[in-house]
Order: sequence, then C-alpha cells, then structure tokens
Amino acid sequence: DAMVIQNPRYQVTQFGKPVTLSCSQTLNHNVMYWYQQKSSQAPKLLFHYYDKDFNNEADTPDNFQSRRPNTSFCFLDIRSPGLGDAAMYLCATSRVGQAAEAFFGQGTRLTVV
Amino acid sequence: AQKITQTQPGMFVQEKEAVTLDCTYDTSDPSYGLFWYKQPSSGEMIFLIYQGSYDQQNATEGRYSLNFQKARKSANLVISASQLGDSAMYFCAMRVLASGGSYIPTFGRGTSLIVHP
Repeated sequence: DAMVIQNPRYQVTQFGKPVTLSCSQTLNHNVMYWYQQKSSQAPKLLFHYYDKDFNNEADTPDNFQSRRPNTSFCFLDIRSPGLGDAAMYLCATSRVGQAAEAFFGQGTRLTVV
Repeated sequence: AQKITQTQPGMFVQEKEAVTLDCTYDTSDPSYGLFWYKQPSSGEMIFLIYQGSYDQQNATEGRYSLNFQKARKSANLVISASQLGDSAMYFCAMRVLASGGSYIPTFGRGTSLIVHP
C-alpha cells in the first residue's frame, strides 16, 4: 500500500564514497522533492522536479545531484559524502497546485563513517 | 520571503486532554495554503490537515482542528483527546511558489509532543 517508497531505509557509506538513494512513487504525481533533515531541524529542500524540469535550490551544494528517469522514479546522488551530510533524506511527491498535500516516503537515514 | 515559525520546541500533555501547537507565518502572497504534518520516530511525514487562506471555516479532521486566525497570521493545531500514539514531532508548513512554477512545502522547525499516560 505504500505510495512513496524510499530505499534503503538505512545507508552507511564511507567518507568520500559516492552513494545513491532511491525513491519511487505509485501516485503518478508530477512533482517530486528531495529534502534533507538533520536532527531536531526542519526539513530543508534540496531540489524538486516538475515533470522533467529540474529545480535546484540556490544553497544546495554541488555535491548533491539528482536524476528522474521517468515519472515513477527519482534518485539522489551524493558524489563525495562528508560527515556533515549525515542526515535523514526525505522524498516526497505531490500534484500540482497550492492545496495539494505532499506525500512522503519513510526516509533514508544516511550515516557517513 | 515566506516564513514559518513554531516557537514551542517541546510540549507535554496528559492522555485524553487537548493540546494546542502554535504556528505563525509570514507571507505577502494573498493566496496561500497551510499544512500540518506529524513525524513519528520512524521518520515518515504524515499529512494531518490543510487550511487555505480563503477558507471561511477552520479545518477539522477527526481529532485534529486548525485554529486559523488570518489577521494574526497564525494557524495553530489543536489535538483533542490526546492518545499515547500522538507522541511525535509536529511540523507546520506553507506552500510557497517556487521559481519553477510549483508550490513547494516549506517547514517550521517543529514541536516535539509527548503524551503522558
């Protein structure tokens, strides 16, 4: 029944070793988002897709990249993870429109060692 | 710039009592939407309730209601008859228009709610 699925739930990676987090949706929503959430903080938007149009937040580090090969899938690539990138990464989807709620996955908790 | 403020880092409530979680916002856009999400320790964000800026009535969803005071720019969440399972982080969010033409959820810092038996 899960509508937004993130894999894996927990990821441990080595300092500097590239890592990819994945997100899939069964809702056929146009918009997909990636958020970074550190402990006791608000989720911070990294980037979002409106269909295939990619929108990067101004303060998202170049170390973070994303791909959306089709409507259902979206990937977050961290090219050279640093200790400061350890966080929960949340994927969300929504329809277009101001009243459209965002549906979230369960998140991937990334640990950098 | 749009902004969401949650001033209560933590709240405690006795089981079966009501609790109010505060949220204030700032926007110059006359049309906006406000959301509340619950985030249990498992990490998933769960949508609770929505209030549109032009809605005449306060939103309600089961035990959740939103005390919307437009002039004060506040959108407080009221949880009635608290249950142990309500213990979680609660985030207030507003959808803001992004450069790409989408409305993006922007979150406050959250309030940690603990329900005591």
